[in-house]
Amino acid sequence: QVQLQESGPGLVKPSETLSLTCTVSGGSISGSYWSWTRQPPGKGLEWVGHIYYTGTAYYQTSLKSRLTISLDTSKNQISLKLSSVTDADTAVYYCAKVSPSGVAEHWGQGTLVTVFS
Amino acid sequence: DIVMTQSPDSLAVSLGERATINCKSSQSLIYGSNNDNYLLWFQQKPGQPPKLLISWASTRESGVPDRFSGSGSGTDFTLTISSLQAEDVAVYYCQHFYGPPYSFGQGTKLEIK
Repeated sequence: QVQLQESGPGLVKPSETLSLTCTVSGGSISGSYWSWTRQPPGKGLEWVGHIYYTGTAYYQTSLKSRLTISLDTSKNQISLKLSSVTDADTAVYYCAKVSPSGVAEHWGQGTLVTVFS
Repeated sequence: DIVMTQSPDSLAVSLGERATINCKSSQSLIYGSNNDNYLLWFQQKPGQPPKLLISWASTRESGVPDRFSGSGSGTDFTLTISSLQAEDVAVYYCQHFYGPPYSFGQGTKLEIK
């Protein structure tokens, strides 16, 4: 059973870049699909982006200009970088393994990132 | 982008009674020669990640109790809990996976009356 663990700094200052890592165990990230979803405190889920094992990525329309999702196959990790953060980017960020058809089947526990000056 | 709208925003149901949550998409989620509906239902309890309950609008995931069922096609979908149990208290989300961006509904909070 694949397991996913998100990690990264819990606090980020406004205008800086938020960097998160999702480490996968129990399976290789190669040949699979991966996604990031976020959830502001007390609010609903927002799909952030999706990356195929080929490296092709798709992003939330509103985040496209600030967002990069990439793979590091040597470390079996998926990374997320979101630049120029504001308070609105404060959220729990989840990574998930996605089936080829697009179903987010396995989720990490999530990591809270607070944008705080 | 496809917009997903759930109703109601919150719902209180007595134990043992039926709970019904609706989800409407801004465009049809049917795709492919099998007329599959690219619609998912998730359950989220406090402090936990979302749990996938139903895929393809009506296919229950392994281990999900059979009191949970999904129905609908095209743009209108329903999640039904046939006999509410205490452990079903949660927020429920629909999500389409028709193609990126894969948007979620705003969520429906289910409580015990």
